[in-house]
Amino acid sequence: GGIITQTPKFLIGQEGQKLTLKCQQNFNHDTMYWYRQDSGKGLRLIYYSITENDLQKGDLSEGYDASREKKSSFSLTVTSAQKNEMAVFLCASSNRPTLYFGSGTRLTVL
Amino acid sequence: GDSVTQTEGLVTVTEGLPVKLNCTYQTTYLTIAFFWYVQYLNEAPQVLLKSSTDNKRTEHQGFHATLHKSSSSFHLQKSSAQLSDSALYYCAPLNYNQGKLIFGQGTKLSIKP
Repeated sequence: GGIITQTPKFLIGQEGQKLTLKCQQNFNHDTMYWYRQDSGKGLRLIYYSITENDLQKGDLSEGYDASREKKSSFSLTVTSAQKNEMAVFLCASSNRPTLYFGSGTRLTVL
Repeated sequence: GDSVTQTEGLVTVTEGLPVKLNCTYQTTYLTIAFFWYVQYLNEAPQVLLKSSTDNKRTEHQGFHATLHKSSSSFHLQKSSAQLSDSALYYCAPLNYNQGKLIFGQGTKLSIKP
């Protein structure tokens, strides 16, 4: 089996700050995803990547950048953190058709 | 674009009674698989069951679902709820042409003694 590791587990930022979340997978999966989880709004796709150096925008990409420099890693950057923002960011990888998720990064913006 | 509707945000069921979580979808591309994911408290979402065959019942861990393409539905059911079933449940069709998994808003299932 494999594992998806997200760092950090908890991230506290200031309004306007640029924040980076990291994700590593050792499944050797081609496709990786970033989802945002908000209470009552489900899982919304931010970015996904079909292969190394590929980036595809999801429905919620505005305000975020992503980077896939290696097959095993996928980073997400919040370009300008919004005051009082609270959400969980979930990374996933896929060996089609099943997705495997990491445990998430919980973001709080003060 | 593709969309998934889970009509109930919260479902509360007494232990031992049946459970049904609704899921309907609308897709514009060829969709080859449908999933139910479950997320227990403080854990990552994980696959509960999946189906790609119309009108075929799929079962796992006591839950079952049948994909009905004619009504665009993939409801999740269980005949007898257990306390350990309390969790957040997501319905998700896989857009295979784009490799995207679109999730519904989720249904929180709460089982009470």
